[in-house]
Order: sequence, then structure tokens, then C-alpha cells
Amino acid sequence: DTAVSQTPKYLVTQMGNDKSIKCEQNLGHDTMYWYKQDSKKFLKIMFSYNNKELIINETVPNRFSPKSPDKAHLNLHINSLELGDSAVYFCASSPRGQDYGYTFGSGTRLTVV
Amino acid sequence: AQRVTQPEKLLSVFKGAPVELKCNYSYSGSPELFWYVQYSRQRLQLLLRHISRESIKGFTADLNKGETSFHLKKPFAQEEDSAMYYCALGERGSNYKLTFGKGTLLTVNP
Repeated sequence: DTAVSQTPKYLVTQMGNDKSIKCEQNLGHDTMYWYKQDSKKFLKIMFSYNNKELIINETVPNRFSPKSPDKAHLNLHINSLELGDSAVYFCASSPRGQDYGYTFGSGTRLTVV
Repeated sequence: AQRVTQPEKLLSVFKGAPVELKCNYSYSGSPELFWYVQYSRQRLQLLLRHISRESIKGFTADLNKGETSFHLKKPFAQEEDSAMYYCALGERGSNYKLTFGKGTLLTVNP
């Protein structure tokens, strides 16, 4: 019974395509996040939603658009994919407040060719 | 701005040896610090949080505010400890954001 689940696990696509990654959590957490892990394993926050409201929007190209239909879901849509978008994208969730840390999904490995 | 520094990109030790993964932070407020571990091709998992002062899998970490450090230690490394370790700093307030260090890849050799 996975706590934070992401789909798909792997995504290979051509430059210029539009793709979406989905994330769902069944922990009842209020806050969800998208992180990008680059080829050097560096983790950087992209977006955060708290109860469907966007609260963090780091310096990310406009081609990336998060959508949260409800507090259990946070999807990431990417338009006009570029080679540099190739990375592992992690979804995470946390209860209100930081003390308990995050629960991460298993990641989506995106490869743009 | 908050910052997390993990000075060692790679750390290699032999099984049974002590291991210390360094983490220093820069933050003007009261820090909330975590260690996360990522085994090969797996999701990140929370290993430790400073607020609970616990020991998980033999690892401990003490927050030293004077030295602004939160080093991760284990007295006797095991091969299964080989993984990527990330130190993370939490920002209090409405924006619940974790800033991660660049990670240290620990390899425990037999």
C-alpha cells in the first residue's frame, strides 16, 4: 500500500513533446512537492502545494506547470520538452509543519531524446 | 538564504570502520535538520531528524549550533550502508521547504 505513488516510473520521449507525471499520496498530508534530481544527484525543489494552493514556485521554466486537483494529488505537466529536462523527478508529501520530514515517491526517470 | 554544504562528494570506508558524513548549514532562523538516504535506484527515505535525537540503523547525528553542523556518524559501517546520503535543512513558516545538500555517496567495502 504505497504512501506516495508516481506514474510513470520511466518516461522516454522526444524533444518538443508534452508529457505529464502524476503523483498521489494516501497519507492525508496537507503539502506536496516536486523535486528534480539531476545527473549529478543534486536535488532541487521545483514546486509545493498546500491544500491545493501553490506556495512554492522556484525558478523553473514556464514549460513546467503543476496542477493539484485535490490535496492528495499533484501532477506535473511539461511542455516542449528539452534535452536538459532529462532527470529524475520526485514527488513528496509532508504533514503540516516540518518536524516529520517528507515522504518521497519512487521517482520518475525522464529521458528526453 | 539557507544553504546546506556536504563537503565530501564521495566517501569510501571498509566494513567495520567508523564513518562520519559531514554536513554544515547556513540559516538565520532556528534550524530543523534531517538526514535522508537513497539506496541504489530507490526512493529517498528519511533516516534521522534532529528533533527526535534517535538512532536509526546505528546512525546518529547531533546538531551543533555553534559549529552549524549536523554530521552523521556510525561507529561500525556495514556493506548495506552503501548509499547516497543527503543532509537537509527545513525552513519554518508557511513555506514548508527542505533544502538539500548535494549528497555524499558512501561506499562500504568488504
